[in-house]
Amino acid sequence: QLQLQESGPGLVKPSETLSLTCTVSGGSISSSSYYWGWIRQPPGKGLEWIGSIYYSGSTYYNPSLKSRVTISVDTSKNQFSLKLSSVTAADTAVYYCARQDRRSYGHDYWGQGTLVTVSS
Amino acid sequence: QSALTQPPSVSGSPGQSVTISCTGTSSDVGSYNRVSWYQQPPGTAPKLMIYEVSNRPSGVPDRFSGSKSGNTASLTISGLQAEDEADYYCSSYTSSSTPWVFGGGTKLTVL
Repeated sequence: QLQLQESGPGLVKPSETLSLTCTVSGGSISSSSYYWGWIRQPPGKGLEWIGSIYYSGSTYYNPSLKSRVTISVDTSKNQFSLKLSSVTAADTAVYYCARQDRRSYGHDYWGQGTLVTVSS
Repeated sequence: QSALTQPPSVSGSPGQSVTISCTGTSSDVGSYNRVSWYQQPPGTAPKLMIYEVSNRPSGVPDRFSGSKSGNTASLTISGLQAEDEADYYCSSYTSSSTPWVFGGGTKLTVL
């Protein structure tokens, strides 16, 4: 059974960089059938797609965040990572990593999510 | 403001049917059959319920069905059960500047 697990600091100071890692187990991140993505959800609000990466390193970013986002992949560790720079309180959210089918574009496996709070 | 428009809330009694709409444009829902629906009970991660407009992943009850007409996709839940109470989100591929977008979400209350 595929599992995804987010990890990283739960508290980040304003203007600093948020860094999260998603570890994939029970399957290979190097599969040609999937993208690997990050989605966030501010408290009490809806889902926002942040960006996705293919195992080859090709990336796709939400234009509204593109100037601050970097997503990378480490196939040797079966992990992919998110960096979001210059964070503000508006970046406080539950951050999810998820697998996305390249044909249907459905996100079929999700991590449990991790709350990241931006505060001094 | 979300690119896809959903009603904030819907409700129904056990055993009834409810339909949640997801309205986009000719740049997304209207032109591509890459519409997905997700169920998110409180405090949990979203779960894929429908992909490619009307396909159900393995394990999703056939009480959940999806359809599309023009720029609007719909999720219908028949034979409502208490366990269906959750937030529901649609998502679509789009040819606009961002390739994938979510709707604002709909809270389903089972009365």
